[in-house]
Amino acid sequence: QKEVEQNSGPLSVPEGAIASLNCTYSDRVSQSFFWYRQYSGKSPELIMSIYSNGDKEDGRFTAQLNKASQYVSLLIRDSQPSDSATYLCAVNGPNSGYALNFGKGTSLLVTP
Amino acid sequence: EPEVTQTPSHQVTQMGQEVILRCVPISNHLYFYWYRQILGQKVEFLVSFYNNEISEKSEIFDDQFSVERPDGSNFTLKIRSTKLEDSAMYFCASSVGTENEKLFFGSGTQLSVL
Repeated sequence: QKEVEQNSGPLSVPEGAIASLNCTYSDRVSQSFFWYRQYSGKSPELIMSIYSNGDKEDGRFTAQLNKASQYVSLLIRDSQPSDSATYLCAVNGPNSGYALNFGKGTSLLVTP
Repeated sequence: EPEVTQTPSHQVTQMGQEVILRCVPISNHLYFYWYRQILGQKVEFLVSFYNNEISEKSEIFDDQFSVERPDGSNFTLKIRSTKLEDSAMYFCASSVGTENEKLFFGSGTQLSVL
């Protein structure tokens, strides 16, 4: 079973700070990497996708991918209380038939 | 904005009963999925469906599970004889394509097996 690992948290950051969320994956041939946000009792909502090494920025969010280290991260700048949620890392590739393999998620708490 | 619609939002059933969970994917999407999330655990892949047939399924998706696209809009998941451990939130999702394509999730059906 190919694994996607995340620190469960909770990660607590003050409002306005940068939140850094990390994810490692074990399947070396993984091709696509996604960050989903999930509020309690709700469905996952896609916030970022990244496919090649380096950084990808979208508003306050930056995804970073390092395939050599099998590591993907999400930075949230100027964190807001509304960012408080569980952030799910998801990975797919040919070994999974392109089905998404999710990590257990990191709980983020942004305190006012 | 188009969205994936799931019904019912909650389903309570007795162990051994059959349940059908319903989904209406986004209209121009071609790939359909079922995932589930047991309380406190990770989101798990069950099955993907394309061109009226299953394209991938996980070990969870055993003979008790089946999927169907009975018409041009609905996508259903049937559990023939529910077990206590089938209690979970079931998410339907759809995407335009596969590989690098992004999944859009429905709001889920909370299944409780008593």
